Formats: sequence, structure tokens, C-alpha cells
Amino acid sequence: DAGITQSPRHKVTETGTPVTLRCHQTENHRYMYWYRQDPGHGLRLIHYSYGVKDTDKGEVSDGYSVSRSKTEDFLLTLESATSSQTSVYFCAISDMRYENTGELFFGEGSRLTVL
Amino acid sequence: GEDVEQSLFLSVREGDSSVINCTYTDSSSTYLYWYKQEPGAGLQLLTYIFSNMDMKQDQRLTVLLNKKDKHLSLRIADTQTGDSAIYFCAEIKDTGRRALTFGSGTRLQVQP
Repeated sequence: DAGITQSPRHKVTETGTPVTLRCHQTENHRYMYWYRQDPGHGLRLIHYSYGVKDTDKGEVSDGYSVSRSKTEDFLLTLESATSSQTSVYFCAISDMRYENTGELFFGEGSRLTVL
Repeated sequence: GEDVEQSLFLSVREGDSSVINCTYTDSSSTYLYWYKQEPGAGLQLLTYIFSNMDMKQDQRLTVLLNKKDKHLSLRIADTQTGDSAIYFCAEIKDTGRRALTFGSGTRLQVQP
């Protein structure tokens, strides 16, 4: 258990509204990631963070922003949600104990529906 | 995830062996992974293989790596109904950001 908590786990919102998803970890991991999962696409990287206030874009970052003001929290924000952002969002961390193998540990996911 | 390719669906009978295949893109990938996702849950690492290995066995799981063809496979022996899940292969393409690139996933259905 890598101590990852995502909130909310489920959210339904309307097009054009802002949405923030939170990923919280309890074990001081440096690297954190946001992925989205869609049928036929597997998981695609949205943004990642390699430390407090250090973030960078992944392959599908358009329409998303992130913030990491403290080690334990990595926030994903949709400034103006669109129906194409309906998805399941997963937070992941890279555990420094497994640094050499690069494996990621995942949260339980946040299901977002944009109507 | 399209750079890493997997077939979408596999159906087997309980007790048979399952073989899930994957082709990846980056010959410089140092590690390749197999993750399992059960319904409504996150992904859990099943096993990984280092790129200088051809095979890795872990109880009922056997991973085969063909670097020449960039082909990775996962064999599950004596498949059980509890093995029904989606299986993702993944590679590290950018060791700087330590982010994994995933395939689209193979849904394994085990029939009793």
C-alpha cells in the first residue's frame, strides 16, 4: 500500500464548470503523476510532478493544469470541463524504494462525468 | 498509449494457459511491466522484466521478452476465474520523468 488517496472518487458535472481532483499521499514520494483511462486507449499521461512546484506536461495535457504546493498533494484542475474529459483519472506515485525498477503505484481512480 | 500495442480481448477456459501479447516501441526501454486491473480498481503491478533478460518466471506467471522484435508476452498457467481482469503492458520511454507508457489493455475473460 503506497498510501495514495484520490478525491472525489466520483463526480458528475456540467460542461464549462471547473473541476479539481486531489491526490494525497502519506509517504513523502517525490514523483507523482496524473493519468486518464479511456476505452481503447489504455492510460495516457496528463501531467507529472518531480517535486514541490516542479511539474511538467504529459502527452494529453491540453485543458488540464496541475499544482503541487506541498509534497503530499498533487491537484489536477479542469478549468472549464468538456464532455471529452469524461474519463477515469488515476493518480500514481513512483516509490523511491523501487527507484531502480521505475514501477508506479496507483490510486483507486476518480470517475468524472461531464454532461 | 497507441505506441504500445495489445490485442483487446482474450477468452480462455479455467485451467488452461493464457498468453497475452504486447509489442512496444522503444528499444532503449530498460524495464517492461505487466499491470493487472480488476473492475473498479486501480492498476497493480504483476511483474516486470529488465531489458537484458529473455525470460522471467514468478509462480504461475512467465514473461518472455524478444528484444529483436520488441515483443513482450505474459503467460498465466492454470488460469483461474480470479485472473479475469484487464492486463496492461507498459514501458519506460523517458527515464528522466520516470513515466510509463501503457498499452490499451487486454481484457482476459476466464470461463468456468
